[in-house]
Amino acid sequence: ELKVEQNPLFLSMQEGKNYTIYCNYSTTSDRLYWYRQDPGKSLESLFVLLSNGAVKQEGRLMASLDTKARLSTLHITAAVHDLSATYFCAVDVVWGSQGNLIFGKGTKLSVKP
Amino acid sequence: GAVVSQHPSWVICKSGTSVKIECRSLDFQATTMFWYRQFPKQSLMLMATSNEGSKATYEQGVEKDKFLINHASLTLSTLTVTSAHPEDSSFYICSARRGTSGYNEQFFGPGTRLTVL
Repeated sequence: ELKVEQNPLFLSMQEGKNYTIYCNYSTTSDRLYWYRQDPGKSLESLFVLLSNGAVKQEGRLMASLDTKARLSTLHITAAVHDLSATYFCAVDVVWGSQGNLIFGKGTKLSVKP
Repeated sequence: GAVVSQHPSWVICKSGTSVKIECRSLDFQATTMFWYRQFPKQSLMLMATSNEGSKATYEQGVEKDKFLINHASLTLSTLTVTSAHPEDSSFYICSARRGTSGYNEQFFGPGTRLTVL
C-alpha cells in the first residue's frame, strides 16, 4: 500500500524562525507536488518537483525532492504570519496513461508574532 | 491558463434530495477529471477518476450508485450526490488533468461545500 507521511502534522512557529516539513513516501515516484490550503478554500499549487534533486524556491519557501530516499522537504525561512495555512504534499503515481495523486495528511502551520 | 471552476461553491439541501456539482476546465481540455472529498481537518480523499466518454472508476468504499459521475465532454464533469444524508456533508473538490498523459499535472477547482440538513 502506498503511504505518504508528512511530519509534523502540527507546527507552531514564531515569526522569523526557520523550520522544515518532511514528506516521506513508500513507492517509486519522481513527481511530487506541494500545495497550500487556507481554511475553507481549495488547494493552491506551490511547487511541482519533477526529478531527483529538484529544488524550487518561491519567497520564503523552498522545496526539494530526493527520489532515492523517497523524501521531499518544504523549508520555511524567516516565517511570517501570512504563511499560516495547511500544507500538503502529494505523490504522483502513474501507470500507463493513468495517474493518481496520493496526499499526505497535511501539516497545519501556525505562525505567531 | 489551466483554470478549473466548480459550481455551486456551496449548497445546503434537505436530507433525501439530490445535489449536482459541476466541474469545468475553462481554458483547456481535460481527458481525465478527479473528484475528491475532504472532511474537516483531514486530507483529501480520492473518490473517483472520471474519463471523458467512459464510466468513472470509483475508489474502494465509494458507492457508485450514490455518487453519480458523468464526464460527457472534455471540459465538464458532474458529480451528483443522490438521496443525500447528513453524513454526506463535506467539502468536494474536483481536479482536471490537461492532456492525455498520466504525467500531466492536475489543476484543482475551488471546491463545493455541501451541507445536508
